Amino acid sequence: DGGITQSPKYLFRKEGQNVTLSCEQNLNHDAMYWYRQDPGQGLRLIYYSQIVNDFQKGDIAEGYSVSREKKESFPLTVTSAQKNPTAFYLCASSDRVGGYTFGSGTRLTVV
Amino acid sequence: GIQVEQSPPDLILQEGANSTLRCNFSDSVNNLQWFHQNPWGQLINLFYIPSGTKQNGRLSATTVATERYSLLYISSSQTTDSGVYFCAVGANFGNEKLTFGTGTRLTIIP
Repeated sequence: DGGITQSPKYLFRKEGQNVTLSCEQNLNHDAMYWYRQDPGQGLRLIYYSQIVNDFQKGDIAEGYSVSREKKESFPLTVTSAQKNPTAFYLCASSDRVGGYTFGSGTRLTVV
Repeated sequence: GIQVEQSPPDLILQEGANSTLRCNFSDSVNNLQWFHQNPWGQLINLFYIPSGTKQNGRLSATTVATERYSLLYISSSQTTDSGVYFCAVGANFGNEKLTFGTGTRLTIIP
């Protein structure tokens, strides 16, 4: 079955540590996205990529970095510069029409 | 950027009731989608509907692009319909970053 796999489901980060969230899709979608969701809030765009080897900053890119070396993969690194990283992180991809498919998310907690 | 407002923010209904969720947006859009987020956080795409009307079982959606709003109808609600419903919009066709509303939290009571 085609879909998006995010790992891990839960992640704990110590102060000052960088962590990387994985996102893999087998839907053959060109575009991929990272969103952040805080409790009781909507989703905010961190980064997006419309094609391999290219990506754009979203509304809240500070303290995050991404890469897009393969069509299937779009990992997100939460750096120590992100002051409040505790949140639910969602990865998505979209088809040519623009319909989105989401992964099941990663819950990141700073300890 | 485009602003998205959803109403009501919270809705509590008895099982079997019908409901209407509204999404208003501030500018022209060529991409509008409705999502359901279940209690475990999974987001499911319900409709891709930049204009017109679509139906899928007990759910239907209508977008009036010229008046900048969309409606999601849920009929004969079931407890599994509980969760948060998000509307998301984009200005362009195709692969496109979306702006999300803050959602409507629906609770269905048995």
